[in-house]
Amino acid sequence: GAVVSQHPSRVICKSGTSVKIECRSLDFQATTMFWYRQFPKQSLMLMATSNEGSKATYEQGVEKDKFLINHASLTLSTLTVTSAHPEDSSFYICSARDAGRGGETQYFGPGTRLLVL
Amino acid sequence: KQEVTQIPAALSVPEGENLVLNCSFTDSAIYNLQWFRQDPGKGLTSLLLIQSSQREQTSGRLNASLDKSSGRSTLYIAASQPGDSATYLCAVASGANSKLTFGKGITLSVRP
Repeated sequence: GAVVSQHPSRVICKSGTSVKIECRSLDFQATTMFWYRQFPKQSLMLMATSNEGSKATYEQGVEKDKFLINHASLTLSTLTVTSAHPEDSSFYICSARDAGRGGETQYFGPGTRLLVL
Repeated sequence: KQEVTQIPAALSVPEGENLVLNCSFTDSAIYNLQWFRQDPGKGLTSLLLIQSSQREQTSGRLNASLDKSSGRSTLYIAASQPGDSATYLCAVASGANSKLTFGKGITLSVRP
């Protein structure tokens, strides 16, 4: 149980295009999902906290107009990187809290590798 | 601001060795601490979670300890195997529903 999926696993796009990444909790309801990015040999940096049915809370320094987050249901959150540039190339990982298990443990998705040319 | 440090960044050991991975954090007012495993290009797998009131947690060959007052945690791996090769990250939470602050991880290589 407690599986989180991400789609796509890998994406290559041209500079200036937008890319949407999906995060799904497959067997539990997640009122809260988190989006992280990870550069090579660096720690995971939280970008934003996504709450079902409300606006996401962004961390300091993260552009909300560039990284659009939508959490329309209890099992799906999406991250859209708008007008992507090469510096946005990174590994994006989502996690979800299982509301039914007390909500303390975060379950992580397998990540999405984004390469912007 | 909470900062989590993991040193060294990389470690190579022969198979069968017992080893200790260290994690330190600057703010001792934590809610819990977790150890994760990350394989190359993959997501994170939770290994052990220690509540602030606990001193240690064990799962199989893994044992994690927590000394909140000194801001330290260790992950002990007994009888290491090549399959243990991965990056190990620790993360702390300051509250029940607060965000996790991660260290950069320790990349472990277990040589056959």
